Amino acid sequence: DVKVTQSSRYLVKRTGEKVFLECVQDMDHENMFWYRQDPGLGLRLIYFSYDVKMKEKGDIPEGYSVSREKKERFSLILESASTNQTSMYLCASSFLWTGDGEQYFGPGTRLTVT
Amino acid sequence: GQQVMQIPQYQHVQEGEDFTTYCNSSTTLSNIQWYKQRPGGHPVFLIQLVKSGEVKKQKRLTFQFGEAKKNSSLHITATQTTDVGTYFCAVASGGSYIPTFGRGTSLIVHP
Repeated sequence: DVKVTQSSRYLVKRTGEKVFLECVQDMDHENMFWYRQDPGLGLRLIYFSYDVKMKEKGDIPEGYSVSREKKERFSLILESASTNQTSMYLCASSFLWTGDGEQYFGPGTRLTVT
Repeated sequence: GQQVMQIPQYQHVQEGEDFTTYCNSSTTLSNIQWYKQRPGGHPVFLIQLVKSGEVKKQKRLTFQFGEAKKNSSLHITATQTTDVGTYFCAVASGGSYIPTFGRGTSLIVHP
């Protein structure tokens, strides 16, 4: 079974803190994604990586950065957390997105910034 | 990114009634995927459609891809309480590697 794990299910941070969300997949997938999910807005892509050290901005990259030093691990970084970054964060991975890559999602991290 | 509209946003049905959600794009799509997210869970892949006019079935679920490859539908026959959740489409077009998700349709089934 494909497994995508995320470092925390719930996280509470203070405004201005640096926050790291980690995602690990065990299927040797090339592609990894970070989404945020907010009620009524669906899943919005923050960043995407198709290879180690490669990254592409998604639709809402402002306030976030990412790191992919190893193929299996993709980290999302909030440099200075703000209350409007309170959300559910979902990581996903796939073999190849040319339309053939089913995405496998992690359980999500619910981040609250106070 | 790619614009995709998914309707309706919510749908309440009585158990046993049918349900349909639609995904519409203004541009021609390479493919479309459908996902289901149970309450409190994460999205899980259901199916992918690639060919114009394609129809696929999974038990009570029927997926269609429009002839022009600009729209798709997911139809559930005789809903059950286990069908409760949010159904998302995810689309790609051109040579893009970046998928775009619709906002989802939340299905509420009343017993």
